Amino acid sequence: DVKVTQSSRYLVKRTGEKVFLECVQDMDHENMFWYRQDPGLGLRLIYFSYDVKMKEKGDIPEGYSVSREKKERFSLILESASTNQTSMYLCASSPPTVTQYFGPGTRLTVL
Amino acid sequence: GQQLNQSPQSMFIQEGEDVSMNCTSSSIFNTWLWYKQDPGEGPVLLIALYKAGELTSNGRLTAQFGITRKDSFLNISASIPSDVGIYFCAGSSNTGNQFYFGTGTSLTVIP
Repeated sequence: DVKVTQSSRYLVKRTGEKVFLECVQDMDHENMFWYRQDPGLGLRLIYFSYDVKMKEKGDIPEGYSVSREKKERFSLILESASTNQTSMYLCASSPPTVTQYFGPGTRLTVL
Repeated sequence: GQQLNQSPQSMFIQEGEDVSMNCTSSSIFNTWLWYKQDPGEGPVLLIALYKAGELTSNGRLTAQFGITRKDSFLNISASIPSDVGIYFCAGSSNTGNQFYFGTGTSLTVIP
């Protein structure tokens, strides 16, 4: 079974804090993705990565950065959290056959 | 980024009824995926479709890849209470391995 894990299920941070969200997959997948999910807006792609140290901007990269130092780990960084970044964050990974597998999500609240 | 039109937005049905939902795109896709998301959890892959006209089943779920390659359909037969959740479609043209997601169909099953 494919397993994608995320470091926290729930996170509460203050405006201006630096926030790290971590995602780990155990299936040796090349591709990893970060999405945010908001009511009425569906899933929106923030960043994705095809390989170690590779990253590509998605549709809404502003205010976020990512890091992929190891194949199994993809981190999302909020340099200075703002209230409009309160959301559900979903990580996904996929093999070359393009099917995406999601983690359980991190619900982030920025106060 | 592109968003897919998914309908209906929500459904309230009696246990035992069949369910149909669909997803349309303005672009041609080479892959369609259907996911189910329970509250507070990440999406779980239900069915993957890779060929136009393909019809694939997973238990009581059946999905079809539309012949025009711009749409896909999901049917659930004989619904049960645990079918409750949000169902998402996702499509990809395989370019860059990016997926675009529908806004979801919220399914409520009344016992």
